[in-house]
Amino acid sequence: DSGVTQTPKHLITATGQRVTLRCSPRSGDLSVYWYQQSLDQGLQFLIQYYNGEERAKGNILERFSAQQFPDLHSELNLSSLELGDSALYFCASSVDGTGDGGYTFGSGTRLTVV
Amino acid sequence: DAKTTQPPSMDCAEGRAANLPCNHSTISGNEYVYWYRQIHSQGPQYIIHGLKNNETNEMASLIITEDRKSSTLILPHATLRDTAVYYCIDLAGGFKTIFGAGTRLFVKA
Repeated sequence: DSGVTQTPKHLITATGQRVTLRCSPRSGDLSVYWYQQSLDQGLQFLIQYYNGEERAKGNILERFSAQQFPDLHSELNLSSLELGDSALYFCASSVDGTGDGGYTFGSGTRLTVV
Repeated sequence: DAKTTQPPSMDCAEGRAANLPCNHSTISGNEYVYWYRQIHSQGPQYIIHGLKNNETNEMASLIITEDRKSSTLILPHATLRDTAVYYCIDLAGGFKTIFGAGTRLFVKA
């Protein structure tokens, strides 16, 4: 157990639908990062939050959004889902916003869009 | 884009040392090199990191060249459970750290 909790572990939904993925960072970590990993691809950085504020955006589609709540958990919202959105979505956390101490990853949410 | 380069795949016999190279020629003086691995769709797992000196922990050793332009991760006695994709990254990108394709290590019995 890495200390980063992601729910749900698996999600199957239809095209056009909207889903919410949840992440609870490791205790004491203030920063949360979201990554997408499509089949046999590397991890693509989506977005980062630090202490409730958006810190950086990567290759995140406009149909996707995220937020970090006062208790530091984060949610990634994916809407108007397409088949190509099927992927593993990982959340990672770090102590501060630089990630200099490394990241701790959760076990991911596998999203299947049918 | 990833700022490190790694061979796409490597084989290693079980019980032997696995030496995984990484090129990070654009790394600057105060940037750490981190190694992670991902075992079959699980979340990436931290292995080790270093700045200048060689490092060792219970999982692996990290050898960094004097000019810091490359490093080698050493798994001293590879087991079948070490079969994974190994990522070498530098945190120059900070929060935008890009994980490249990594090296797919196959440990064979």
